[in-house]
Amino acid sequence: EVQLVETGGGLVQPGRSLKLSCVASGFTFSSYWMYWIRQAPGKGLEWVSSINTDGGSTYYPDSVKGRFTISRDNAENTVYLQMNSLRSEDTATYYCAKGTIAARWAFAYWGQGTLVTVSS
Amino acid sequence: DIQMTQSPASLSASLGETVTIECRASEDIYSNLAWYQQKPGNSPQLLIYDANSLADGVPSRFSGSGSGTQYSLKINSLQSEDVASYFCQQYNNYPFTFGSGTKLEIK
Repeated sequence: EVQLVETGGGLVQPGRSLKLSCVASGFTFSSYWMYWIRQAPGKGLEWVSSINTDGGSTYYPDSVKGRFTISRDNAENTVYLQMNSLRSEDTATYYCAKGTIAARWAFAYWGQGTLVTVSS
Repeated sequence: DIQMTQSPASLSASLGETVTIECRASEDIYSNLAWYQQKPGNSPQLLIYDANSLADGVPSRFSGSGSGTQYSLKINSLQSEDVASYFCQQYNNYPFTFGSGTKLEIK
């Protein structure tokens, strides 16, 4: 059974940093791209980052580019999201996700999410 | 960036009815489109990928169609467990973008 478990969320002051982790199990982690998606309270979904299988290619929207960094450790079956210079608008539940062989670019499996609150 | 315009924003229908949710892309996305269902308090769930392919375990009353810039999600024989928000998402180009969502309620 595929499982994605995010940790690392919490309350952080504006301008500070936070690192999220997502531990994966139930599939061959090193064979799949991994993704982070966020959802502000009561709002819609926003794609945050993608990383390819070996970590050599990463993608971000302009809203987080230069502040967030996605990385992965295939030996530990873990994907990370380093978030720097946090802003109030980064307040959201952050989900990690993966596709499937048939649906490589869709988010077929999601974690339960971890809440990040940026506030003084 | 590709803009995804989703309609309606909210929808109220009776049990057993058929409902349709639309999504329009600002440019051709070549069927690189997914639909998600999110029930209150839960993570989103993939329903449809590649515009018309049913994800594993999804009931056959859900279907997707469309091409180019126009796509739709149809739910046949609406059931109480279908109360949720629904989102479309394009993955033709980075940045991946979502529609703003449709909140479906039962009359």
